Amino acid sequence: DVKVTQSSRYLVKRTGEKVFLECVQDMDHENMFWYRQDPGLGLRLIYFSYDVKMKEKGDIPEGYSVSREKKERFSLILESASTNQTSMYLCASGIQGAKAGELFFGEGSRLTVL
Amino acid sequence: AQTVTQSQPEMSVQEAETVTLSCTYDTSESNYYLFWYKQPPSRQMILVIRQEAYKQQNATENRFSVNFQKAAKSFSLKISDSQLGDTAMYFCAFMKHVNNDMRFGAGTRLTVKP
Repeated sequence: DVKVTQSSRYLVKRTGEKVFLECVQDMDHENMFWYRQDPGLGLRLIYFSYDVKMKEKGDIPEGYSVSREKKERFSLILESASTNQTSMYLCASGIQGAKAGELFFGEGSRLTVL
Repeated sequence: AQTVTQSQPEMSVQEAETVTLSCTYDTSESNYYLFWYKQPPSRQMILVIRQEAYKQQNATENRFSVNFQKAAKSFSLKISDSQLGDTAMYFCAFMKHVNNDMRFGAGTRLTVKP
């Protein structure tokens, strides 16, 4: 079974802190994604990556950065956390080609910024 | 950028009956994929059904089928013989073929009543 592991299920941080959310997948997938999920807004794409060291902005990249130094790991960084970044963050991975779009999701990281 | 719209925030259906969830999208792309994902309460997202835009035939997966109207940019999901286990958030999603950029709608919360 594909496994997408997010480092923290629950985090509580203070405004201005730097926050790292880690995501690791074990199926050699080329594509990796970071979304945030908020009630009534669905999943909004923050960043995605289609290869090592490659990244593309999604709908809401402001206040976030990402890093993909190894194929299996995709990190989301909040340089200076703010209260409006309180949310559920979902990482996903998937292959390219004919089966593109079948994403495998992690369990999510619920971040609260005080 | 492409947008995905789900106009029904909540729906309910009696067990064993049929329900249709609506989705429209906006894009200038000619080559893309469409998906329905399911997120059961407190559980991870899973893929329900997938449609390639170049295929005219509507996709089906057991009790799940889609009505894909490319000219109208409409992609609805029909669930037949609804079961209690179908209770979940359902998300419509769009993926660009060129770079696998994947966007989701706001979701429809479906409740199947006994």
